[in-house]
Amino acid sequence: DAGVIQSPWHEVTEMGQEVTLRCKPISGHDYLFWYRQTMMRGLELLIYFNNNVPIDDSGMPEDRFSAKMPNASFSTLKIQPSEPRDSAVYFCASSKLGWQDGNQPQHFGDGTRLSIL
Amino acid sequence: SQQGEEDPQALSIQEGENATMNCSYKTSINNLQWYRQNSGRGLVHLILIRSNEREKHSGRLRVTLDTSKKSSSLLITASRAADTASYFCATDNSGYSTLTFGKGTMLLVSP
Repeated sequence: DAGVIQSPWHEVTEMGQEVTLRCKPISGHDYLFWYRQTMMRGLELLIYFNNNVPIDDSGMPEDRFSAKMPNASFSTLKIQPSEPRDSAVYFCASSKLGWQDGNQPQHFGDGTRLSIL
Repeated sequence: SQQGEEDPQALSIQEGENATMNCSYKTSINNLQWYRQNSGRGLVHLILIRSNEREKHSGRLRVTLDTSKKSSSLLITASRAADTASYFCATDNSGYSTLTFGKGTMLLVSP
């Protein structure tokens, strides 16, 4: 079975531009998570979805960030306008079971390396 | 805030030696998980230990959990150069389907 697929692998753009990151979760997984990883702050949860519905977006740093999940096989994370401090590696992860089932290993994509100049 | 904190931040050993990494956390958990991240890749789930378990094995991995001390350890036996990676512990957040990750231990295994 294919894993979580993210695109692009690397994006370099200028400050002020719109950035769109894409994610295809593992088929059959009910949960999708977006994370940001930096050296200073480690891995931070930005937002997560359950059955395509955003459940908690309290980790989204600013209104410049938005995420959508129009269907079970696709999600986007947008930054508009982008700023240099948004430079980081962004990961998407999916899982099949929630906490109620007591077993929630997450499957990660290989990330998008975002550089804002 | 970080729930899990790994110790040490970095560890350098020779092939064949054992590597031990520790994780401390602050609040009650349902389970604790360990992940590995190779350079330039996403995190990969290694092992999950539930709060009512004290020890778990998977191949060369041994995980312990002490809920009274709010700590866990990951032991990699007979390490190989391919074990070079960052290792993260992650704790679940009771009532939510999310995990909180520590900042990781960077393990370097030299041939």
